[in-house]
Amino acid sequence: DGGITQSPKYLFRKEGQNVTLSCEQNLNHDAMYWYRQDPGQGLRLIYYSQIVNDFQKGDIAEGYSVSREKKESFPLTVTSAQKNPTAFYLCASTRAASYTGELFFGEGSRLTVL
Amino acid sequence: AQSVTQLDSHVSVSEGTPVLLRCNYSSSYSPSLFWYVQHPNKGLQLLLKYTSAATLVKGINGFEAEFKKSETSFHLTKPSAHMSDAAEYFCVVTTGAEDSSYKLIFGSGTRLLVRP
Repeated sequence: DGGITQSPKYLFRKEGQNVTLSCEQNLNHDAMYWYRQDPGQGLRLIYYSQIVNDFQKGDIAEGYSVSREKKESFPLTVTSAQKNPTAFYLCASTRAASYTGELFFGEGSRLTVL
Repeated sequence: AQSVTQLDSHVSVSEGTPVLLRCNYSSSYSPSLFWYVQHPNKGLQLLLKYTSAATLVKGINGFEAEFKKSETSFHLTKPSAHMSDAAEYFCVVTTGAEDSSYKLIFGSGTRLLVRP
């Protein structure tokens, strides 16, 4: 079945460590997104990529980095510069950035900083 | 600039009674509007979408929403709530042609509780 796979589902990190969240899709979608979800705040866009080898900052990119070396993969690194990284992270994709259809989501990764 | 406001952070209904989740939007262009549902610790699933066709949009699981341009609203309804409808619901608007970024703007969410 086609879809988006995020891993790990749960992750614990000590302060000062970088962590990388994986996002893989087999939907042949061009556009991929990373969102951060905090209670009562909806989803906020961290980074998005409309095509391989290109990506743009979203609304809360500080302390995060991404790469898009392959169409199917869009990993997110949470760096030690992110001041409050404990959150639920969601990866999503859509056929093309200009497509106003469905955004497909992974099941999320919950990051907790100890 | 586009924005979306979900008017209730929590809605509680009894099983078998109607559901109304309210959403108002702000957009300079003809918007595309969506409702997504999220069950605990899961990703989001599309319930329905409005993209300038019929103003009454039918979605999955018996949900529907009506686009009212005069009221800038896109409220989600269901005639009869089921226990499995308990989840968080997000109203979403696209930035679309306004800035060519085609980003989605999410509301803050409404948590639906269904009482037996």
